[in-house]
Amino acid sequence: EIVLTQSPATLSLSPGERATLSCRASQSVSSSLAWYQQKPGQAPRLLIYDASNRATGIPARFSGSGSGTDFTLTISSLEPEDFAVYYCQQRSNWPPDIFTFGPGTKVTIK
Amino acid sequence: EVQLVESGGGLVQPEGSLRLSCAASGFTFSNYDMNWVRQAPGKGLEWISYIASSSITIYYADSVKGRFTISRDNAKNSLYLQMNSLRAEDTAVYYCARLIAGRAFDIWGQGTMVTVSS
Repeated sequence: EIVLTQSPATLSLSPGERATLSCRASQSVSSSLAWYQQKPGQAPRLLIYDASNRATGIPARFSGSGSGTDFTLTISSLEPEDFAVYYCQQRSNWPPDIFTFGPGTKVTIK
Repeated sequence: EVQLVESGGGLVQPEGSLRLSCAASGFTFSNYDMNWVRQAPGKGLEWISYIASSSITIYYADSVKGRFTISRDNAKNSLYLQMNSLRAEDTAVYYCARLIAGRAFDIWGQGTMVTVSS
């Protein structure tokens, strides 16, 4: 089973700053990695799929990169609405055929 | 508007059963694979079950295998999760989610809360 690790667990930044979030897989997932944003009391929202493709309606300040085992979500300039928890997620290509989420990175206001 | 709406959550005693429903609208439900994902209070996201568009393929997380059953009715644009032998650790918000590109969940419902407690 592939395990996803996210770092840091918490990121304290000010609006306007650049945020860099990391997701590492225990073995290669090729480019099959997605990123989600979740705010308190809300469902997750898909930001990035296939490592670098922005989902419909996602602002250009969100970008994803990486392949294999190391992936990055970058928020170029934090807006007030970007303070939230971010999860990465992958789907295994071989048995057990499952989907795995990382533990999340919480981006807080400094 | 593309939308998923869950229902059926509530308070249930340990070893009890509950059936969750997810109503889809605004898209051709029968074209999409669907999933259930849950989130325990204050915790992260946990995928629990997948069903292919035609129901021909189904997967479960080990944590629910043998206790939960996923199903769908494409004629009714609905997804279901039958949950039996519920445990305290099944307490969570349960989301239905649409799968795209075989790999990412692009549409989520608002969630329905399931509390397992005596």
